[in-house]
Amino acid sequence: SYVLTQPPSVSVAPGQTARITCGGNNIGSKSVHWYQQKPGQAPVLVVYDDSDRPSGIPERFSGSNSGNTATLTISRVEAGDEADYYCQVWDSSSDHYVFGTGTKVTVL
Amino acid sequence: EVQLVESGGGLVQPGGSLRLSCAASGFTFSSYEMNWVRQAPGKGLEWVSYISSSGSTIYYADSVKGRFTISRDNAKNSLYLQMNSLRAEDTAVYYCARVGMRGDFDYWGQGTLVTVSS
Repeated sequence: SYVLTQPPSVSVAPGQTARITCGGNNIGSKSVHWYQQKPGQAPVLVVYDDSDRPSGIPERFSGSNSGNTATLTISRVEAGDEADYYCQVWDSSSDHYVFGTGTKVTVL
Repeated sequence: EVQLVESGGGLVQPGGSLRLSCAASGFTFSSYEMNWVRQAPGKGLEWVSYISSSGSTIYYADSVKGRFTISRDNAKNSLYLQMNSLRAEDTAVYYCARVGMRGDFDYWGQGTLVTVSS
C-alpha cells in the first residue's frame, strides 16, 4: 500500500518560515492536499491540488510537489499556526485515500 | 453554509455494532462524493470509506473491509456508516468529509466519538 511519510515535528520561531515535507514514491505524479488540525477540532483544508488555497486561507500557506516529496510552506509563522498538519493523496492503484503520518508544528 | 453533523457515536462492547449518521446541509448532497475518516485518541487521521455521489461506487480501508458498510440516502441528505464486529482498535473520533473538485476533503463534520470497550 502507498505510504506517506512526514516528520513528527517541526519547530519554528514567530515570523520565520516552516516547511513540512511529505514523502511518497513518485508523489510528484499525484495531487497532494494538506490539512491543518488544531486540538479538539476537525481538520481544515489549507492547500489542495499541490499548491492551491481554498478561499479564506492566508497566502502565507503555500505548497509544492515534485519527485518523491511534497512540501507545505508556512511563511511568517504566527502563534495561531501551531497545529498538526497532514498531507493526503488518492492512490489509484489501491482505490484508497492515504493520509500522511502527520507533523506537529510548534511555534517557539 | 455547508454543514456536516455526525451522530450515533457512543460506548459499545467488543463484537457489537453501531450505526453512524452524517446529516448534510447547505449544498446539493446528491452531487458530492463522501467519505468517513477516523482518528484514534492521540493518533493521526485514517481514511475509512468512500462512496460516490450516486452510491454506486464504494471503497473501504483494509482495516474495516468486511465489517463496515457505507451508504447514503440522497433524499434525506444523509450519509451512514454501519459498523459491525467492533474491536478495541476501532475506538476513534469518526468524521464525515465531503470530496471537493480535486479529490480533496473540503468540508468536515465535527466528529462523533466511538469507544469500543467492555
